[in-house]
Amino acid sequence: LAKTTQPISMDSYEGQEVNITCSHNNIATNDYITWYQQFPSQGPRFIIQGYKTKVTNEVASLFIPADRKSSTLSLPRVSLSDTAVYYCLVGDNSGGYQKVTFGIGTKLQVIP
Amino acid sequence: DTEVTQTPKHLVMGMTNKKSLKCEQHMGHRAMYWYKQKAKKPPELMFVYSYEKLSINESVPSRFSPECPNSSLLNLHLHALQPEDSALYLCASSQGDLNTEAFFGQGTRLTVV
Repeated sequence: LAKTTQPISMDSYEGQEVNITCSHNNIATNDYITWYQQFPSQGPRFIIQGYKTKVTNEVASLFIPADRKSSTLSLPRVSLSDTAVYYCLVGDNSGGYQKVTFGIGTKLQVIP
Repeated sequence: DTEVTQTPKHLVMGMTNKKSLKCEQHMGHRAMYWYKQKAKKPPELMFVYSYEKLSINESVPSRFSPECPNSSLLNLHLHALQPEDSALYLCASSQGDLNTEAFFGQGTRLTVV
């Protein structure tokens, strides 16, 4: 199971772009990279998933370099409601499904 | 319907009680999960069911007993719990393919007294 490393916390002002980088040096060939967002006392919510290069949806972008040993979640123009914990996960495909295992996560605090 | 529904939302139980947590999804997902989350910690995987069969038990004590009656339902039976088992219990489901997202319920806040 590929281990992930992310900053424990980050602060950002409202309206700024936030980039959270995750390291996953021993990612396997079949593994996808997934990011989740969690607010206090709620279940995690899927943000974005990718395999290589760049993925963009209505919420965020995910940048993955060619060696796939890291990835960067980019949140454009954050607001106060983006204050949450962000988890980077690398899939473990044993058994034919994603073994969804969480690392420590990055606590993002958006400041007015 | 893209929801995972968990009941109850809150539960207080004594150490000698038997209770059950319930989870339901109607997305046709083939994998279902139980997680335990303590305050300010990431969710910890407890069990994984794939095609209604227990695939992973992450060395969880036997006082936690999972059950998957059908492809839409997942239960977690609790018996003789300890105060340190107090936590947020999260259920999730996923399609079961290699590149799909997991959908999480809102959790059950369990307090053992």
